[in-house]
Amino acid sequence: GAVVSQHPSRVICKSGTSVKIECRSLDFQATTMFWYRQFPKQSLMLMATSNEGSKATYEQGVEKDKFLINHASLTLSTLTVTSAHPEDSSFYICSAPGAGVTEAFFGQGTRLTVV
Amino acid sequence: GQNIDQPTEMTATEGAIVQINCTYQTSGFNGLFWYQQHAGEAPTFLSYNVLDGLEEKGRFSSFLSRSKGYSYLLLKELQMKDSASYLCAVKDSNYQLIWGAGTKLIIKP
Repeated sequence: GAVVSQHPSRVICKSGTSVKIECRSLDFQATTMFWYRQFPKQSLMLMATSNEGSKATYEQGVEKDKFLINHASLTLSTLTVTSAHPEDSSFYICSAPGAGVTEAFFGQGTRLTVV
Repeated sequence: GQNIDQPTEMTATEGAIVQINCTYQTSGFNGLFWYQQHAGEAPTFLSYNVLDGLEEKGRFSSFLSRSKGYSYLLLKELQMKDSASYLCAVKDSNYQLIWGAGTKLIIKP
C-alpha cells in the first residue's frame, strides 16, 4: 500500500515557540492531505485539509493563524504550530486519502508536548 | 448532522470472541472502514465494507447493513495484542472520512 511518512514522531517544545511537522507521501502524489489532532482517549478530529497549490481548508474552531498549513509540492505537506501553548499538547496525525472508496493512508503521528 | 456511535470501552477474555458495534448517520455513504489503533500510534486499516454482508479476513470479520446504518467488527480467538482502540469510519458523499470516537478493547488473560 501507499506510504506516508511523518516527522518528527515526538517533539517537546517550550511555550511560545513554533513547531513544524512534516508529512511526506513516499511512493505516490498526494494532492490532498488531512491533518488530525487526537487528545487522549478521544477520536481523530479533523483540523484542516491541505491542498497542493492552494490554501488549506480549516474546520470550524481551528485557528488558521495558529496552525499554519503548507502544501508546497505533491509529496509534502507541513503543519506548523505557532506560539505553542501547553493545551496544544496532543497527537497530530496526517493522512492522505485513498482514491474514491479506498482506505486512507496515515503517517506515524507526532506526539507534541508543550512545556 | 453526521454521527457515528460505538461503545466507549469493552472487555473480553483471551481466546474468546468479541463483537464491536457501530451505527452511523451520514450524508451519503461510500463505504465503512474499521481501523485498529494502539496507544500513541497511527490507525492501521483492518477492513472495508461497501455492500451488505460479512467480509472475513482471518480472525477479523466485518459486517454491514446499509438499510440499518449498522456495522460490527468481530474478533475471534482474541490475543493480548488485540488490546487497542477500534475506530469505525464512514466515507460520506464527498468521500470524506467521518470518524467514530473509537472503542477501547481490553483483553484479560
